[in-house]
Formats: sequence, structure tokens, C-alpha cells
Amino acid sequence: KNQVEQSPQSLIILEGKNCTLQCNYTVSPFSNLRWYKQDTGRGPVSLTIMTFSENTKSNGRYTATLDADTKQSSLHITASQLSDSASYICVVSAGYSGGGADGLTFGKGTHLIIQP
Amino acid sequence: KAGVTQTPRYLIKTRGQQVTLSCSPISGHRSVSWYQQTPGQGLQFLFEYFSETQRNKGNFPGRFSGRQFSNSRSEMNVSTLELGDSALYLCASSLRTSGQETQYFGPGTRLLVL
Repeated sequence: KNQVEQSPQSLIILEGKNCTLQCNYTVSPFSNLRWYKQDTGRGPVSLTIMTFSENTKSNGRYTATLDADTKQSSLHITASQLSDSASYICVVSAGYSGGGADGLTFGKGTHLIIQP
Repeated sequence: KAGVTQTPRYLIKTRGQQVTLSCSPISGHRSVSWYQQTPGQGLQFLFEYFSETQRNKGNFPGRFSGRQFSNSRSEMNVSTLELGDSALYLCASSLRTSGQETQYFGPGTRLLVL
């Protein structure tokens, strides 16, 4: 069964500090992995998308890494800001033919709180 | 370009009632997917529509149904509401259903069943 596990479930850090969120998956065959940011009361917004051949991708202060061998991904946030407070969701897409949205496996998210 | 819109944003219903939620995708997007999000389960896939046809369906009971219109707008219907149906219902649109396309989510409809 395809699964995506995220850790930690929640995290509190001080403004300006760095943090790393983890995502482990057992989706097969693997196609791509996305990180989404979801602000309270809003829909998720895509931060990065990584395919099998990519091991690092940055989007401003967000850097995602992917180790396809160990089936692990991380999202590193540098110099955190209050606006980074949100839930971060890892989504893995299975690469079977005809795959649509039913081929997406969602993690339950990490709830990040940035304190001033 | 306008984003995905969902109406209504908030809804309160009682057990046994039915509800219809609406989603307007980004202009030009023909694929619309629906998800249920709860604190305990995270995002769970309900169904996906493309060109007025249901392409994929998640593991939800038949009380959950949907449709898509010729202008790509989509509606989701839940009949005989149960307390456990209380959740944030998100719709997402993309250009096509490859699974490789980035999905753009709407703000969601928060449903409370009393």
C-alpha cells in the first residue's frame, strides 16, 4: 500500500531559525514528489516538485531534497519568518499509466509555528 | 488569471440533510479533483473529472457524488449527511489528468454537520 509519512507532526521554532521537515514514502512506481504549504483557512500551494533524477530544488528560502534510493525527502526552511507558520504537506505521485489524481498519496502534514 | 474559487466557504448542516458544493477551476483547466481534509486523516481523494467525465474515484461511499459541466465548473454533492462528514472540502484544478501536473487548490468549503 502506498504511504507517505511526515515528521514531526508539529514543530515550534523561533523567528530567524532554520528547520527541516521530513517525508518518507513507500509509493511505487515513483513519479514525482511535491511539497505544498497550506496556510490556515486556505488551500495548499505548491512549493516545489521533484522528479526521480533531481535531488535538490530551491524556491526562495525553501530547499527540498530527494533521496530516491532511501525514499526520503526533506524540506529545509532557512531564516524562518512569521509568515512561514503553516502546514507543510508532502505529496508523492505514482507513475503508473493513466495516473491521475487517484495516483497521488498525501502525507498528513507537519504543522509549523514560528514564534517571534 | 483568477484562481480556483469555491462556494460557499462555510456551511452548517444537520445530520440527514444533503449539501452541494461548487468549484470553478482556473480558466483553461479541464481537470477538477475533489478532496476531503480532516485533522486526523489529512487530504483524501474523492474523485476527479475531466471534460465532464469522472476519470478516477477514491474510496468514499456512494453518498458522495459529483459532476462537471461543459465550462469545467464542478459540483460535489453529499447526501444523508453524517457527523463524520464534517471536514474541509478542497477542489483543485489542473490542465490535464496526467498526475504530473501541478494542482492548484481553491480555498475550500468548511462543512460542519451537527
